[in-house]
Amino acid sequence: RKEVEQDPGPFNVPEGATVAFNCTYSNSASQSFFWYRQDCRKEPKLLMSVYSSGNEDGRFTAQLNRASQYISLLIRDSKLSDSATYLCVVRSGGSYIPTFGRGTSLIVHP
Amino acid sequence: DAGVIQSPRHEVTEMGQEVTLRCKPISGHDYLFWYRQTMMRGLELLIYFNNNVPIDDSGMPEDRFSAKMPNASFSTLKIQPSEPRDSAVYFCASSLELVGTGELFFGEGSRLTVL
Repeated sequence: RKEVEQDPGPFNVPEGATVAFNCTYSNSASQSFFWYRQDCRKEPKLLMSVYSSGNEDGRFTAQLNRASQYISLLIRDSKLSDSATYLCVVRSGGSYIPTFGRGTSLIVHP
Repeated sequence: DAGVIQSPRHEVTEMGQEVTLRCKPISGHDYLFWYRQTMMRGLELLIYFNNNVPIDDSGMPEDRFSAKMPNASFSTLKIQPSEPRDSAVYFCASSLELVGTGELFFGEGSRLTVL
């Protein structure tokens, strides 16, 4: 089982829609969680950290479920510019080295 | 401020040739990472350095791959000899720390094609 798993998609949604992605992780000792965004043929960039209590940044909401070992990203009122690949990143205790999921592709169409 | 700078942006080479990829991290960042990205495997960590010292190279595929960081502002990833299966985008990233946010700042990547 891969350490970090994501549904590759693509998720194809109309503008204005709400879309959610999940990411599961296998190491119960994982301590830090993040979402990165990668535009086509560009480098990944940090979108947001994921805190235990959940956190929100504008239209984006991230949540952590330690019991079920998954994190989620919710995007409300999707914009065309949200089209990208969303990478789940997990850091485990000890080395704290970030491990990336393969990403979920989102396509927002008019 | 300058971000992470990688070169070359694109390289096309023939099987058996030596390939050298270069990276200049953000000044003051103590951690430097080399990742490889392919459609099949996603982003894979190859090696990372802390204060110029290689800490974990368990992700380096085989002896054909080597990485160095002679000083705080420069790192290389070398493939010798290159093979078609090495074709991928190679990203260098730097980070100020590993704890807390520990945000990774990526370069634009080096797209390698081995024919």
